[in-house]
Amino acid sequence: EAGVAQSPRYKIIEKRQSVAFWCNPISGHATLYWYQQILGQGPKLLIQFQNNGVVDDSQLPKDRFSAERLKGVDSTLKIQPAKLEDSAVYLCASSPSGLVNEQFFGPGTRLTVL
Amino acid sequence: QKEVEQNSGPLSVPEGAIASLNCTYSDRGSQSFFWYRQYSGKSPELIMSIYSNGDKEDGRFTAQLNKASQYVSLLIRDSQPSDSATYLCAVIGQNFVFGPGTRLSVLP
Repeated sequence: EAGVAQSPRYKIIEKRQSVAFWCNPISGHATLYWYQQILGQGPKLLIQFQNNGVVDDSQLPKDRFSAERLKGVDSTLKIQPAKLEDSAVYLCASSPSGLVNEQFFGPGTRLTVL
Repeated sequence: QKEVEQNSGPLSVPEGAIASLNCTYSDRGSQSFFWYRQYSGKSPELIMSIYSNGDKEDGRFTAQLNKASQYVSLLIRDSQPSDSATYLCAVIGQNFVFGPGTRLSVLP
């Protein structure tokens, strides 16, 4: 069974530029999560989708971050415009049931904002 | 007060010793508690879940929960160099929140 796929793996941009990350969850997994992990900190849940609907986006900075999950499969997370403090690893995870103890993480995208 | 707190470490233990990792949380209504292991440059992986007071054992790992004290711990017996990683405590209360992690180093 293929795991959670993310691309790109690394991205370097300058502040005020835009960037987008892509995630393909494990086949059949209804729940998809996006996390932000800043160096030295634990992951912070940004948004949780159930199929193509948003379950929780309370910690998503909506002035600059957006996410979508069209057709309930792949998802994209966008930052526009990026700030220096957005430098982090962005992790995507999926779960068949919506239970966090059943979630599988992707390899992450490391974003550096200069 | 942060929602989930852990000692940042690093915690260094000799091979074969018991490593003790601690976590406190602020949301008294929290019901579910997790320990994740994260190797450097890798994604977190779940190693233990605990939902009720007391101890839960799985191989060399024991999770301990005390809801009255808002405290959860992870013991690793017979520590191996391969256990060297950052251990993240995570709690489901009003939100799903990770602690900052404790870096463990097991010295051969």
